[in-house]
Amino acid sequence: LAKTTQPISMDSYEGQEVNITCSHNNIATNDYITWYQQFPSQGPRFIIQGYKTKVTNEVASLFIPADRKSSTLSLPRVSLSDTAVYYCLVGGDNAGNMLTFGGGTRLMVKP
Amino acid sequence: GAGVSQSPSNKVTEKGKDVELRCDPISGHTALYWYRQSLGQGLEFLIYFQGNSAPDKSGLPSDRFSAERTGGSVSTLTIQRTQQEDSAVYLCASSLDRVTETQYFGPGTRLLVL
Repeated sequence: LAKTTQPISMDSYEGQEVNITCSHNNIATNDYITWYQQFPSQGPRFIIQGYKTKVTNEVASLFIPADRKSSTLSLPRVSLSDTAVYYCLVGGDNAGNMLTFGGGTRLMVKP
Repeated sequence: GAGVSQSPSNKVTEKGKDVELRCDPISGHTALYWYRQSLGQGLEFLIYFQGNSAPDKSGLPSDRFSAERTGGSVSTLTIQRTQQEDSAVYLCASSLDRVTETQYFGPGTRLLVL
């Protein structure tokens, strides 16, 4: 199973860019990297997914270096509403290894 | 369209009783997942259904836990002889097909075992 390691928590201020890095040293060739966001009392919500290099959508960017042993979720200009837990998942078509969410990173955005 | 729904939203039971939790996935989604989340913790994978294939039960914590999926749609997670440590939020998710597809989560069922 591809194990992921993330910081337990991070603090930021409104308007700043936040980068959350996830380590996944034993990522497999067919594994994708996916990030989810979870607010209190809600189920996680998909943010972004990538395989290599850089992926950008309307809410975030995902940077993946050539060796794919880590990935960085970048949230531009965070607001108070971005306070949540962010989970990094690594896995592919082999059932089971996509399904380890881990503890996630608790992001606290302050005014 | 309708998202993933779960019922009941809250369940309080006594230790030793059996409980059934229900999940209605998004129509057309062939993959269905059950997770458990204890207070302040991350998500713990329980079981995964993909189409008509045998489910991946590798995450079930004990033989008191079981799940079925009827007709490739609705799923029921059953916990027999509940224990206090079973208290948690049970989350269901579905995705279009493979595990690489986006998972859409339901609101969860909060289970409290007294």
